[in-house]
Amino acid sequence: KQEVTQIPAALSVPEGENLVLNCSFTDSAIYNLQWFRQDPGKGLTSLLLIQSSQREQTSGRLNASLDKSSGRSTLYIAASQPGDSATYLCAVSLGGSYIPTFGRGTSLIVHP
Amino acid sequence: EAGVTQSPTHLIKTRGQQATLRCSPISGHTSVYWYQQALGLGLQFLLWYDEGEERNRGNFPPRFSGRQFPNYSSELNVNALELEDSALYLCASTGTYETGELFFGEGSRLTVL
Repeated sequence: KQEVTQIPAALSVPEGENLVLNCSFTDSAIYNLQWFRQDPGKGLTSLLLIQSSQREQTSGRLNASLDKSSGRSTLYIAASQPGDSATYLCAVSLGGSYIPTFGRGTSLIVHP
Repeated sequence: EAGVTQSPTHLIKTRGQQATLRCSPISGHTSVYWYQQALGLGLQFLLWYDEGEERNRGNFPPRFSGRQFPNYSSELNVNALELEDSALYLCASTGTYETGELFFGEGSRLTVL
């Protein structure tokens, strides 16, 4: 059974800092990994999707990397802003099951 | 283009009643996933429908059920509601479940009193 862990569980930083959020998974036979953000009481917004054959994806100030052999992905947020405050979740899909498994998320607060 | 839409936004029921939640996927998407997000817990997989068929279900009792219609919209039914069913129910769709990006709706907040 795939298990997904996100560290840290919570993070509070001043505006402007560069951040790294971590996602680890136990089964490396994944076919994709997706990062989301969730605002309180809302649905999930897709940030980046990395296929198993890819090493990283970039969108604006966000960069996500994938290392299947070590069972890890990192989400890098450059020059953080208060609007980045949200919970960030990663979801890992195993080849064959096609059921995305989610981590508990990292709750991020960026204060002015 | 419209995203994934869910209704109702909020629903209040009492123990023992039934709840029906609805989801319309993005146009062209044939796969629909349902997740439960209870307070303090992560997203728990409930059901997966693709091309009108139930493909998989999570570790939930049989009183959680659903279906997918020919237009690929879906509904989730929860019978004999219990207090612990109070949660945000999230629906997601994708066009290609093998490699596709998952898109979520805003969720339906179910409160059981």
